Amino acid sequence: EAGVAQSPRYKIIEKRQSVAFWCNPISGHATLYWYQQILGQGPKLLIQFQNNGVVDDSQLPKDRFSAERLKGVDSTLKIQPAKLEDSAVYLCASSQSTGLETQYFGPGTRLLVL
Amino acid sequence: AQSVTQPDIHITVSEGASLELRCNYSYGATPYLFWYVQSPGQGLQLLLKYFSGDTLVQGIKGFEAEFKRSQSSFNLRKPSVHWSDAAEYFCAVGPKYGNKLVFGAGTILRVKS
Repeated sequence: EAGVAQSPRYKIIEKRQSVAFWCNPISGHATLYWYQQILGQGPKLLIQFQNNGVVDDSQLPKDRFSAERLKGVDSTLKIQPAKLEDSAVYLCASSQSTGLETQYFGPGTRLLVL
Repeated sequence: AQSVTQPDIHITVSEGASLELRCNYSYGATPYLFWYVQSPGQGLQLLLKYFSGDTLVQGIKGFEAEFKRSQSSFNLRKPSVHWSDAAEYFCAVGPKYGNKLVFGAGTILRVKS
């Protein structure tokens, strides 16, 4: 089966610009996650969707970050305006449901903010 | 608050040697523990997970991990390392419901021939 797809793979922007990332989860997976992985750190959950509803966005900086999953399938994560400290790898993952399901990760989008 | 500590940032082992990567966790309830591996430019892949039962868990690629509640540890082991095992390894802890994982900072494994 196809894995989690993400695009773009790399993005370089200047601070105060906006950027968007796209994720297509594994077919049939109801739960989708966005993680931020800063260099030298483990991934940190930004937002979790169950179908098209938000389950947890407690660590999402809502003043600049937004995410949507309108049809319960693919998702976009947006940063506007970007700051230097947003430089990181943004990982998307999906699982069949919430609970003890294995999360499958995409390859990530590496963002550099100059 | 839950947290995961991986004390070793880098580890170098010789090919064929045994490996142990350390993981200590802090969690208020029964922990559900995971080990993931991340190769350069790739996403995380699940190696193994512990939910309950036998405290020695077998995973893919010949890895195993042992849950020790008294030491709050979940160390990853492999008896003989291959060059292809060079990667970054992450330990994570999560709740029984909700699937919100908290990751450690990772350990980078280098394998020398």
